[in-house]
Amino acid sequence: GIQVEQSPPDLILQEGANSTLRCNFSDSVNNLQWFHQNPWGQLINLFYIPSGTKQNGRLSATTVATERYSLLYISSSQTTDSGVYFCAAKNTGGFKTIFGAGTRLFVKA
Amino acid sequence: NAGVMQNPRHLVRRRGQEARLRCSPMKGHSHVYWYRQLPEEGLKFMVYLQKENIIDESGMPKERFSAEFPKEGPSILRIQQVVRGDSAAYFCASSPEQVDTQYFGPGTRLTVL
Repeated sequence: GIQVEQSPPDLILQEGANSTLRCNFSDSVNNLQWFHQNPWGQLINLFYIPSGTKQNGRLSATTVATERYSLLYISSSQTTDSGVYFCAAKNTGGFKTIFGAGTRLFVKA
Repeated sequence: NAGVMQNPRHLVRRRGQEARLRCSPMKGHSHVYWYRQLPEEGLKFMVYLQKENIIDESGMPKERFSAEFPKEGPSILRIQQVVRGDSAAYFCASSPEQVDTQYFGPGTRLTVL
């Protein structure tokens, strides 16, 4: 089955800093999402992005499907951005959605 | 449009009891997914269902676990004869189509004593 790897595993930022989170996947995908799990455990949709680039406020994401990776950009980070960021992918023709292990982000005030 | 609803939010069971977790998808969504999250870990796929059909249950343990999504009513994840290792957060997600955005419920946190 498809493998999903995220990096870095942990990230500490000073408030206001920018960061890039990476998601590599081992097979072609027809479904790729980024989620934020906040400290209360809630999973929040950030982007549905099997290909291309999208932006939403301080967040943006790019997926290069032919090279099998996706990037999540966080600009001007805030303490409320803390939590775990997950990438999840479903390979073409498959039914299972596979999550990466996540990037744990802590933003210091 | 109400989001994905799960209940109960917290469930405590003793070893050997049964746990029933419910998931009501968003209105208009006919695709439901169940995931399990152990503490400090990512989400693991368990099962994918459409109305009245199990499409992929390859992530679900063969013993003690079952899932259904009837024509009427919520999707149910059932765990029989629970053991301490079943303690986890169980999340449900729904989508309008198979290849589409999945929206997650708040999860059910199961504790087995």
